[in-house]
Parts: sequence; C-alpha cells; structure tokens
Amino acid sequence: DSGVTQTPKHLITATGQRVTLRCSPRSGDLSVYWYQQSLDQGLQFLIQYYNGEERAKGNILERFSAQQFPDLHSELNLSSLELGDSALYFCASSKETSGLAGGSNTDTQYFGPGTRLTVL
Amino acid sequence: LAKTTQPISMDSYEGQEVNITCSHNNIATNDYITWYQQFPSQGPRFIIQGYKTKVTNEVASLFIPADRKSSTLSLPRVSLSDTAVYYCLVRGYSTLTFGKGTMLLVSP
Repeated sequence: DSGVTQTPKHLITATGQRVTLRCSPRSGDLSVYWYQQSLDQGLQFLIQYYNGEERAKGNILERFSAQQFPDLHSELNLSSLELGDSALYFCASSKETSGLAGGSNTDTQYFGPGTRLTVL
Repeated sequence: LAKTTQPISMDSYEGQEVNITCSHNNIATNDYITWYQQFPSQGPRFIIQGYKTKVTNEVASLFIPADRKSSTLSLPRVSLSDTAVYYCLVRGYSTLTFGKGTMLLVSP
C-alpha cells in the first residue's frame, strides 16, 4: 500500500459526459501528479500540482483540467468524454520539499491504485 | 524533451540475471533516470534512481554510461514474482517522460 488513495476504483460513463476523479496524497506529500495509461500509449504524464499550484504540464487535453485543494487532495476533471478517453488514470504523490520554481528532478513518486474509466 | 525507448518485452528464467536497457539520446544535463515496476492492476512502484555511473540497492542495480544516453536496469537472480512491466523515467525539473515499458516474463 503506497498510502495514496484514489476514488472511484471503476467508472463507466457515456460519450459526451463529464467525470471527476479524486486523489488523496500520502500524508505530508505536497506534490500530486496525474497520469493516463492506455494499452497503446503507455504511461502519459498529464499534469503536476505542488501545494495548490500547477507545477508542470504534460500531454493534457484542453477537455481535461485538474486542481489541488488546500487540504492537498486533487481532482482531475474530464469533460466531453470520447471513447478514446477510456484508460487507467493514476495519481502519484511526492514530498518535493524544495519548493523551487523548477520543481524537483529526483523526487520518488508513490502511485495510487488507479481509476479505470470506461467510456461507452 | 527526452524521448525514451525500451524493448517491448523480454523473457527470462528463474535465477538468471536480467538487464533491461532504456535509450534516452537527448537527455538533458539536469535529468535524472528512475526505474519503476508495475504489476497488473496496480500503480507503478519505485525501484531505483541514478544520474551517472552505477547505483545499487537491495533489489537492483542501475548502470549509466558517461554520455548518459542510455541506462540499464539489472535485476540479479530473478524469480517468478519479478514478472511485471518495467518503466524508465527521465525526469527534469519540470519535465517527465516515461518509456512505454518492458514486459518481463520470468518462467520456471
């Protein structure tokens, strides 16, 4: 058990809908990362938040957005869902105590169990 | 942004040493290399991290040559429970690039 929790475990919805995935980081971790994992694309980094602020952005679509709240939990919002959005969505957290504007390049990330999203 | 390339799959037998190589030709000066292990229906788990030369911990070794354009994860004496997908990650201050993963199958 990594200490990172994600809800829900499974989500089935229809095209065009909007869903929210939730992540609670390990106690004391300030950084949260979101990833999408599909069979043909592997692990794709979406976005990182540090202490409530966006820190780094990866291949995140404009239909997707995220935020990190004062209690450090994070939500990933996916809207106008398409069939191709079906995937496993992982959240990870890390300490990243440096607080540097550029972030840390050595932080160990602890991954949650993932949310499996199926779009029908 | 560093692009990473790994073999799609590898086969081994119990008790053998396994070496998985990741190519990252345009790695940047500030980038670190980290390897993760993932079992089905679980999130990836940290194995080892390095910048250059050799790093060893209780489960694996990581070899990084002087030019840092590749890295090799070495798993000594694998067991059936080492069957998993192994990912290399090249991490800069604000960049993150995972390889597509290498599926390692260990047979008896």
